[in-house]
Amino acid sequence: GESVGLHLPTLSVQEGDNSIINCAYSNSASDYFIWYKQESGKGPQFIIDIRSNMDKRQGQRVTVLLNKTVKHLSLQIAATQPGDSAVYFCAEKFRGGKLIFGQGTELSVKP
Amino acid sequence: NAGVTQTPKFQVLKTGQSMTLQCAQDMNHEYMSWYRQDPGMGLRLIHYSVGAGITDQGEVPNGYNVSRSTTEDFPLRLLSAAPSQTSVYFCASGSGGSTNEKLFFGSGTQLSVL
Repeated sequence: GESVGLHLPTLSVQEGDNSIINCAYSNSASDYFIWYKQESGKGPQFIIDIRSNMDKRQGQRVTVLLNKTVKHLSLQIAATQPGDSAVYFCAEKFRGGKLIFGQGTELSVKP
Repeated sequence: NAGVTQTPKFQVLKTGQSMTLQCAQDMNHEYMSWYRQDPGMGLRLIHYSVGAGITDQGEVPNGYNVSRSTTEDFPLRLLSAAPSQTSVYFCASGSGGSTNEKLFFGSGTQLSVL
């Protein structure tokens, strides 16, 4: 399934399905993007990153896709597990070094 | 290796009080930053620093001050607390540079302003 919405979008998937979490970024000059995972009561944790000269990067069970034409970023999680339930944030690096986070998507995995 | 340490974990203030949230990292990171997170929202950047002696404003800097006298420490000061500053605050550090901004986050400080 895909995430849509304006206020902390939610995505509910069945265990074992693939998840796709989307993010629109604002700055066409951003050259570095990161996905973070935040579990309840904890600080965000790094998942995967991608530079603007790449379209795709794969990690363990996760893939990040970057479409610079439409300023869109997506995180794909393969074979989603209950431990993947969390809020996922994309972040973009602006010139000067600051990182700005998107609003986040809450992923809920049903057993 | 402690990583990023934030203190306190919880704090209750009255309107108008001042306080400092402490953040320390032991990874020799140049980049440090403060974010606030409100319910149902993402993290918003308050202030950040790319090295000792250098600070800059983020998205929501009003009502907060920072300083960076050492590489390790990046305290956040609330000069006159307001109920609108009730939030969870996260400190984060990163090695900086052009290719690696992977941030390490502290465990957060939950602040309530009455």
